[in-house]
Amino acid sequence: GAVVSQHPSWVICKSGTSVKIECRSLDFQATTMFWYRQFPKQSLMLMATSNEGSKATYEQGVEKDKFLINHASLTLSTLTVTSAHPEDSSFYICSARPYWGLIGEQYFGPGTRLTVT
Amino acid sequence: SQQGEEDPQALSIQEGENATMNCSYKTSINNLQWYRQNSGRGLVHLILIRSNEREKHSGRLRVTLDTSKKSSSLLITASRAADTASYFCATDAGGIQGAQKLVFGQGTRLTINP
Repeated sequence: GAVVSQHPSWVICKSGTSVKIECRSLDFQATTMFWYRQFPKQSLMLMATSNEGSKATYEQGVEKDKFLINHASLTLSTLTVTSAHPEDSSFYICSARPYWGLIGEQYFGPGTRLTVT
Repeated sequence: SQQGEEDPQALSIQEGENATMNCSYKTSINNLQWYRQNSGRGLVHLILIRSNEREKHSGRLRVTLDTSKKSSSLLITASRAADTASYFCATDAGGIQGAQKLVFGQGTRLTINP
């Protein structure tokens, strides 16, 4: 149980285009979902926290107009990278917190590798 | 911002040896977790230790937590080649504003040589 999926697993796009990444909790309802980005050989950096039905809370330094997050249901959150640039190339990982979860309990998706050319 | 620091940044040992990784953090926490990440893959949750716990075991894993020193260690005993991965500690930031958010350490890249 507690499986989180991401789609696509990898994507290549041209500079200036937008890319949408989906995060789904497959067998549980997630009150909160989190989006992280990870550069090669570095740690995960939290980008934003999203709660179903409300606006996402972005971490300091993360452009909310560039990284659009929509948490439409208790099992789906999407991250749209708008007007992508090569510096947006990264590994994006989502996680989901079940409604019954302990403090800090999160389940992670397998990640999406974005390459902007 | 990064909460914690991990050391060593990289560790290379022979199969069968024990591997110890350390994590330090800055603020008060509710719990601390350890994750494993294989290259280019997602995170696998290993173990969670609460702030009122001092030691926890899971199979070949042993985690300690010293809240007075704001540090934790992960010990992997009898290492195997399959243990080769990056290991991250993560803390929830604690408090009202930071509740539920995980802050990751910089990670330790572990290589097990056959």
